[in-house]
Amino acid sequence: DAKTTQPPSMDCAEGRAANLPCNHSTISGNEYVYWYRQIHSQGPQYIIHGLKNNETNEMASLIITEDRKSSTLILPHATLRDTAVYYCIVRVLYNNNDMRFGAGTRLTVKP
Amino acid sequence: DAGVTQSPTHLIKTRGQHVTLRCSPISGHKSVSWYQQVLGQGPQFIFQYYEKEERGRGNFPDRFSARQFPNYSSELNVNALLLGDSALYLCASSLSNEQFFGPGTRLTVL
Repeated sequence: DAKTTQPPSMDCAEGRAANLPCNHSTISGNEYVYWYRQIHSQGPQYIIHGLKNNETNEMASLIITEDRKSSTLILPHATLRDTAVYYCIVRVLYNNNDMRFGAGTRLTVKP
Repeated sequence: DAGVTQSPTHLIKTRGQHVTLRCSPISGHKSVSWYQQVLGQGPQFIFQYYEKEERGRGNFPDRFSARQFPNYSSELNVNALLLGDSALYLCASSLSNEQFFGPGTRLTVL
């Protein structure tokens, strides 16, 4: 079973920020929060990951609460090409046999 | 640089048949993982191989097997196919902490 809980779907207006929440209340001290997205008919694409500090890269920002029980992925200026299913995963670093995907959040960016 | 490649892209089989799916990792990546993604669900972990050895196995029956070759490419084999094996099979390679996924092989079992 996935260790995370995400809303099944969200909408966002093009050009606005998309804020995707994830609950991971049972996260362990050595587990990182990872975000992937899957555009229709493609393999999942890595977005960002973090342990406890907020992280930012060219794609998105990751905000992790102080108790680490939840996080938010922020796409600062959503475009139509950001329409995808977004997966939040918690796992131990380098442990590639512990990638448990849930159903994710289907983000629809509307013009 | 080429990403993770998988073949074939699509495949149709009938119940009871056997199937072999192939994956070529990104050059230099020694770890390959396989996932099954049923329509409407997230990918489910099947196997991980590193340096030709199995490092992890998900909750799948023994009909599923895999191997990794000296060039780090990998095959996933499924015997005695069932209708429920119809899915997108994804391969991912990694060098360290980030997994790179291929486009997948869509298997349809009739």
